[in-house]
Amino acid sequence: DAKTTQPNSMESNEEEPVHLPCNHSTISGTDYIHWYRQLPSQGPEYVIHGLTSNVNNRMASLAIAEDRKSSTLILHRATLRDAAVYYCILREPLNTGTASKLTFGTGTRLQVTL
Amino acid sequence: NAGVTQTPKFQVLKTGQSMTLQCAQDMNHEYMSWYRQDPGMGLRLIHYSVGAGITDQGEVPNGYNVSRSTTEDFPLRLLSAAPSQTSVYFCASQPGQLYNEQFFGPGTRLTVL
Repeated sequence: DAKTTQPNSMESNEEEPVHLPCNHSTISGTDYIHWYRQLPSQGPEYVIHGLTSNVNNRMASLAIAEDRKSSTLILHRATLRDAAVYYCILREPLNTGTASKLTFGTGTRLQVTL
Repeated sequence: NAGVTQTPKFQVLKTGQSMTLQCAQDMNHEYMSWYRQDPGMGLRLIHYSVGAGITDQGEVPNGYNVSRSTTEDFPLRLLSAAPSQTSVYFCASQPGQLYNEQFFGPGTRLTVL
């Protein structure tokens, strides 16, 4: 399985943008890049996903490098409620029968301060 | 909708005891999964189900059994608890094969003495 590498931790000030990097140099051509986050004492929640193009939703933006070997999750204005562990996950296409399987690494712990 | 619910929230077992962790979802999702999360680690897949009557093993299935008799419920059974099974257990569901988002429950914190 293709692996991802993320920094163990990052810090941000409230209301500033946060860029969370993820390296995935062995990504296959059909793997999707998914991001989940886990707030303290909660289960993970889906944030965003993409394949090649940059993606935006109400929670975040995902910037994917042209060679797809890295990506960056962007929180445009961090709040205290964004303090969580963020996981970058590679996922095979949904029609391959592996749709239930998410492989989590250790993620990046984001600390947000006033 | 209540989403994905798990019971109990906390459980302490003695080595060798058996128990069942309950998971239910009211969203009519086809896919359900069980993960465990050890301290400081990411989640690892134990078992998953792509529909009622169909289950398969994930990354760390040993010591656990599952069954899926209804769409709503996906219980996880620990046959003979061991200290190595001390962990937080998360259940997740997904509408079907062609959906990207998995929905996770709040977790069950299990301690095996």
